[in-house]
Amino acid sequence: GAGVSQSPRYKVAKRGQDVALRCDPISGHVSLFWYQQALGQGPEFLTYFQNEAQLDKSGLPSDRFFAERPEGSVSTLKIQRTQQEDSAVYLCASSFPRLAGGGDTQYFGPGTRLTVL
Amino acid sequence: AQTVTQSQPEMSVQEAETVTLSCTYDTSENNYYLFWYKQPPSRQMILVIRQEAYKQQNATENRFSVNFQKAAKSFSLKISDSQLGDTAMYFCAFMKDTARSRDDKIIFGKGTRLHILP
Repeated sequence: GAGVSQSPRYKVAKRGQDVALRCDPISGHVSLFWYQQALGQGPEFLTYFQNEAQLDKSGLPSDRFFAERPEGSVSTLKIQRTQQEDSAVYLCASSFPRLAGGGDTQYFGPGTRLTVL
Repeated sequence: AQTVTQSQPEMSVQEAETVTLSCTYDTSENNYYLFWYKQPPSRQMILVIRQEAYKQQNATENRFSVNFQKAAKSFSLKISDSQLGDTAMYFCAFMKDTARSRDDKIIFGKGTRLHILP
């Protein structure tokens, strides 16, 4: 596949359950980002990896949110003890290695729509 | 902190017409990047056009062009000869100059829902 893929596309969880969302970036992309998009809103940054290193997790809303990218390719966003306010679309994006001039274009996956009942 | 504001929640235009989507932003940075992304109902976020702040020339991509006014911190998107397939949410977005910072995240506006009418 040429693009960023995410799975599952849809996830329904009961309040209190743990969920894991997967992102497969474009092959060779060093940087990987997670965003949360609430209904009718723009995406908001959650966290960022460069290879396996998590360089910025300032957007994670609580300690129930955890992301990892152990081998520098596939990433998993885990949400523990889900709450109704966690319902949103979770978008993953990846970008080429950092260019000298910066501003690397981020390529987005189709997202996972999480609904917490 | 950077902010991006899109003042038009929703717009409708007839097919083949020209439409302009507005965006303003706030930053203290001198070098940065601006983007317009399109998000159709499939949710796939697609890059429409990007602009480097250090370039005075407005970016163009086929039917899409921008009017970048750095002093006014304005970045509008013009869609010419609009097509039914242009129907989507459009997000204006900002990124710092990542060559000098480790802050690679994109800041998005709230979006403008654009309907192209047959």
